[in-house]
Amino acid sequence: DGGITQSPKYLFRKEGQNVTLSCEQNLNHDAMYWYRQDPGQGLRLIYYSQIVNDFQKGDIAEGYSVSREKKESFPLTVTSAQKNPTAFYLCASSTRNSNQPQHFGDGTRLSIL
Amino acid sequence: AQSVTQLGSHVSVSEGALVLLRCNYSSSVPPYLFWYVQYPNQGLQLLLKYTTGATLVKGINGFEAEFKKSETSFHLTKPSAHMSDAAEYFCAVSHYGGSQGNLIFGKGTKLSVKP
Repeated sequence: DGGITQSPKYLFRKEGQNVTLSCEQNLNHDAMYWYRQDPGQGLRLIYYSQIVNDFQKGDIAEGYSVSREKKESFPLTVTSAQKNPTAFYLCASSTRNSNQPQHFGDGTRLSIL
Repeated sequence: AQSVTQLGSHVSVSEGALVLLRCNYSSSVPPYLFWYVQYPNQGLQLLLKYTTGATLVKGINGFEAEFKKSETSFHLTKPSAHMSDAAEYFCAVSHYGGSQGNLIFGKGTKLSVKP
C-alpha cells in the first residue's frame, strides 16, 4: 500500500536537546511538507521541498531544520532553539501539480520532559 | 494572496441532522478547493476536491460541497449526521501555478454529534 509513514508516534525532548522526526513516502511524490498543528491554530507550514536537495522555509521555520537527500525521505529536526516545541507534527507529500491534494502521515506528537 | 476562512471553530449537531460547515476563500485567480477530515491523533484525510467542471462535488462518507464563485464559498454539507462524523474539518485552497507549499488551510471546524 502506498502512503506516508511518520515515526515515532510519540516523542519526548529534554531541555537543550535536538530531536529528529522521520517522514518516508512511497507515493513517488516530488513534493514534501512539514506542518505544525496547535489547538485552534490550524496547520502552519514549517518547511517544504519541491525536489531532492532543495527545500524552502515556510511560515514558522525558526528553530527547525530539514534535509532532502532522497526523494522518499524528508526528516525534520527540532533544535534546542525552538523554545516551544510541544505540538503535533504532520508530514505530507504531493505531486507538483497544484490541483492535486496533499497526502498526510499520521503525525508525531512531541512533548517536553 | 490567498486565504481561507472557516466560520465557526465548533459546530454541534444532533445525530440525523443536517451538517453544514462553512468555508469562504479569497483568491485573485480561479481556485482549487479541498476539504479534509482529521480524527483525533491522526493525519488529515481528503474528503473531496474541486478543480474545474461541475460545481457540486461529492466526496467520501456522504459529504458534498458546492463551489459558488459569486459568493467565494465552498461549504461542506451532509444530509444526515452520524456519530462517526465527529472530527475536525479543514478547508484548503490553492490555484494553478501556485507554490509556497501549494495549500493554504483554514483554522478548522470541530464537529460534535449529539446522540
